[in-house]
Amino acid sequence: AQKVTQAQTEISVVEKEDVTLDCVYETRDTTYYLFWYKQPPSGELVFLIRRNSFDEQNEISGRYSWNFQKSTSSFNFTITASQVVDSAVYFCALSEGFKAAGNKLTFGGGTRVLVKP
Amino acid sequence: DGGITQSPKYLFRKEGQNVTLSCEQNLNHDAMYWYRQDPGQGLRLIYYSQIVNDFQKGDIAEGYSVSREKKESFPLTVTSAQKNPTAFYLCASSPSPGQGYEQYFGPGTRLTVT
Repeated sequence: AQKVTQAQTEISVVEKEDVTLDCVYETRDTTYYLFWYKQPPSGELVFLIRRNSFDEQNEISGRYSWNFQKSTSSFNFTITASQVVDSAVYFCALSEGFKAAGNKLTFGGGTRVLVKP
Repeated sequence: DGGITQSPKYLFRKEGQNVTLSCEQNLNHDAMYWYRQDPGQGLRLIYYSQIVNDFQKGDIAEGYSVSREKKESFPLTVTSAQKNPTAFYLCASSPSPGQGYEQYFGPGTRLTVT
């Protein structure tokens, strides 16, 4: 069975500090996809990134960066120079393999990030 | 503007009543999903639909029912059989039910049952 673990339930930082969110996953599939979503206080989930299991390149998008390591089954997310607007709950998610239909996502429990001015 | 609409944003019901949550999308997406979120927890899949007139149970389908009569609509009914219906409900859609497509989420409906 698939599982996504976000061990950090809440992280509090001061503005301009860097913050790294951990995500560890379990799957028996060799082909899978990993996602990060942001949930601001309004409640709607916002898609941030998708990574497939064959692409281990790290990615940077503005102040956001992602580190994918298959060897440790981790897909960590770093916010550089955090801002108050980054305050939200962040979810890591895993998509099942080709054998299963429906593109179902398994979510981690989420990490709440609080950025103080 | 293309997107997913969920209404209402807040819903209050008395225990023992069925209630239907609306979800509409104008993205022309084939797949649609319903998730439940409890305070401080992640999302759990209730039902999903890959195509019109077809849907499958997710991880926590008991006490819920859905229909998919139109491509753009996927309403969720919370029945009186659901033991703990108070939660935040999120609807999502995806261009295809194939693996790897990101899901787009609606603003959610917060249901309170007393």
